[in-house]
Amino acid sequence: GNSVTQMEGPVTLSEEAFLTINCTYTATGYPSLFWYVQYPGEGLQLLLKATKADDKGSNKGFEATYRKETTSFHLEKGSVQVSDSAVYFCALGAGSYQLTFGKGTKLSVIP
Amino acid sequence: NAGVTQTPKFQVLKTGQSMTLQCAQDMNHEYMSWYRQDPGMGLRLIHYSVGAGITDQGEVPNGYNVSRSTTEDFPLRLLSAAPSQTSVYFCASSPLTVNYGYTFGSGTRLTVV
Repeated sequence: GNSVTQMEGPVTLSEEAFLTINCTYTATGYPSLFWYVQYPGEGLQLLLKATKADDKGSNKGFEATYRKETTSFHLEKGSVQVSDSAVYFCALGAGSYQLTFGKGTKLSVIP
Repeated sequence: NAGVTQTPKFQVLKTGQSMTLQCAQDMNHEYMSWYRQDPGMGLRLIHYSVGAGITDQGEVPNGYNVSRSTTEDFPLRLLSAAPSQTSVYFCASSPLTVNYGYTFGSGTRLTVV
């Protein structure tokens, strides 16, 4: 079946540090891949997505590239801010409209 | 454009009480679903629907009922609340295409005492 594995958190970074959150997946066929962000006390929001191999999704300074050869979709940001503190979820959609989510990675950015 | 609206935002129930969590969307999405979020467990799918009159069970359906009489509304019913149902509940919707992704509501934090 489909599955998503994210790096375990929590991750604590200083402001302006480089961020990488690893995400690997197992799926049949050619899935679409997503990153969601959940700010404290809120629901999940779609951050970025990629629907085919080698696509790069980007939004708000965050990027992720769909790597079919390594079955990965790592989230990166060059310079994090305190306002980026949140929980980040990797997800995939394969074969149907339903998404499979990773367990989430909590990011804390300190000034 | 309100998106996905969940009510209430907070609720405290006594064990054995029943209640309904409301979810409404105004985007004409065919697909709607309910998740619960617990610490260390990620998101777990409770029930989902692909259109009015069609519902199905997810990963953790026990203790919950759903119905879908209209495209817009997808209420989640707790028939007899238990402390194990203390959680944050999220409703999500999407078109019937995997490339779109989900739109989530802001959640309902439920405590069962």
